Amino acid sequence: QQQVKQSPQSLIVQKGGISIINCAYENTAFDYFPWYQQFPGKGPALLIAIRPDVSEKKEGRFTISFNKSAKQFSLHIMDSQPGDSATYFCAASNTRNYGQNFVFGPGTRLSVLP
Amino acid sequence: DTGVSQDPRHKITKRGQNVTFRCDPISEHNRLYWYRQTLGQGPEFLTYFQNEAQLEKSRLLSDRFSAERPKGSFSTLEIQRTEQGDSAMYLCASSLGRASGTHEQFFGPGTRLTVL
Repeated sequence: QQQVKQSPQSLIVQKGGISIINCAYENTAFDYFPWYQQFPGKGPALLIAIRPDVSEKKEGRFTISFNKSAKQFSLHIMDSQPGDSATYFCAASNTRNYGQNFVFGPGTRLSVLP
Repeated sequence: DTGVSQDPRHKITKRGQNVTFRCDPISEHNRLYWYRQTLGQGPEFLTYFQNEAQLEKSRLLSDRFSAERPKGSFSTLEIQRTEQGDSAMYLCASSLGRASGTHEQFFGPGTRLTVL
């Protein structure tokens, strides 16, 4: 029940295209859902995050769509650029837990072709 | 640089040796987390500190692992009698904590451990 599932495992998109990564969770106590971007040799960096009281959040070219009833959320990268090529991780946390540690999905390796 | 720093960045050791990693969090952050990331997987939670108190440990943290955060500043993660299965990237993250109302964790660059 602590797992976060993520798909696809890898994704290849042409420059200018839309990249879509999907995640699903089981634990209904999760109430904070961040997406992290990780480049090789670097630590993950927060891209965008959402709480379940909204269905969509947009920041620049990045949008999170959230479906509370289905327990699913997705990341959309509009106008994908070669510089977006990285591994993306969705995560979930129960912020009411004192620790608030994140449960991460297994990651999606995105390659944006020039 | 005011981000999370980790040292060393890479460590190669032989099976059975002890290793110690250091993490320096962002200075005003009172929470510090350790995660482990194996190749092709997302980070997995190991343990976290609120100031100097270690408040939670994952079942992944065997008896060979110990973490400390003296004085609530930097933290060390020690692995005793390393095994090949310990080979992974060890990530440290810090955050302001619950009272701040924010939940973002800021990650360091990680220490990549290779056990031969």
